[in-house]
Amino acid sequence: AQSVTQLDSHVSVSEGTPVLLRCNYSSSYSPSLFWYVQHPNKGLQLLLKYTSAATLVKGINGFEAEFKKSETSFHLTKPSAHMSDAAEYFCVVSEGSYDKVIFGPGTSLSVIP
Amino acid sequence: ETGVTQSPTHLIKTRGQQVTLRCSSQSGHNTVSWYQQALGQGPQFIFQYYREEENGRGNFPPRFSGLQFPNYSSELNVNALELDDSALYLCASSLKGLAGDNEQFFGPGTRLTVL
Repeated sequence: AQSVTQLDSHVSVSEGTPVLLRCNYSSSYSPSLFWYVQHPNKGLQLLLKYTSAATLVKGINGFEAEFKKSETSFHLTKPSAHMSDAAEYFCVVSEGSYDKVIFGPGTSLSVIP
Repeated sequence: ETGVTQSPTHLIKTRGQQVTLRCSSQSGHNTVSWYQQALGQGPQFIFQYYREEENGRGNFPPRFSGLQFPNYSSELNVNALELDDSALYLCASSLKGLAGDNEQFFGPGTRLTVL
């Protein structure tokens, strides 16, 4: 069965410092993995996706994530946080078809000036 | 190219009532998925429609039902509303091709409050 664990419900970083949002997944098959961002009162926006190509995935706004099968992890990173990065971030796993899409509980990112 | 739109943006209902939420998919997309996002939680998959047929369903009771129209727009209907149905309802559209490899584009959501 699929599941997604986001290890931190809330992360706080200073502007200009690195961001690390952690995600572990459980899947019976070779999953597709995604990170979405949700700003207040706005829709979910796809940051990046892994679909069995390169294990290091680059996304929008300087974010990237590395798929590590041995660790069943898909952590999201950014070298330098910007105030506009403050939002809710969701790790998502999908197996084969979208009737099996599972969202993690989310990590709230705060950026301190 | 227009994005995914949802209506209404906000809605207040009372227990026992029925509600219909609407979604217009992105141009060229043939698949619509609906999600329920309770406050402080991640979205939960309700169901998906592909070419006007239900293509998969999450752990939601039958009082949650849907439709997809020939233009690929969609409705989510909820009967006999309960207080726990209060949530943000998200619609996402995609172009079904290789399974599991299609980006979903989300609408801004409909905020439903049940009193």
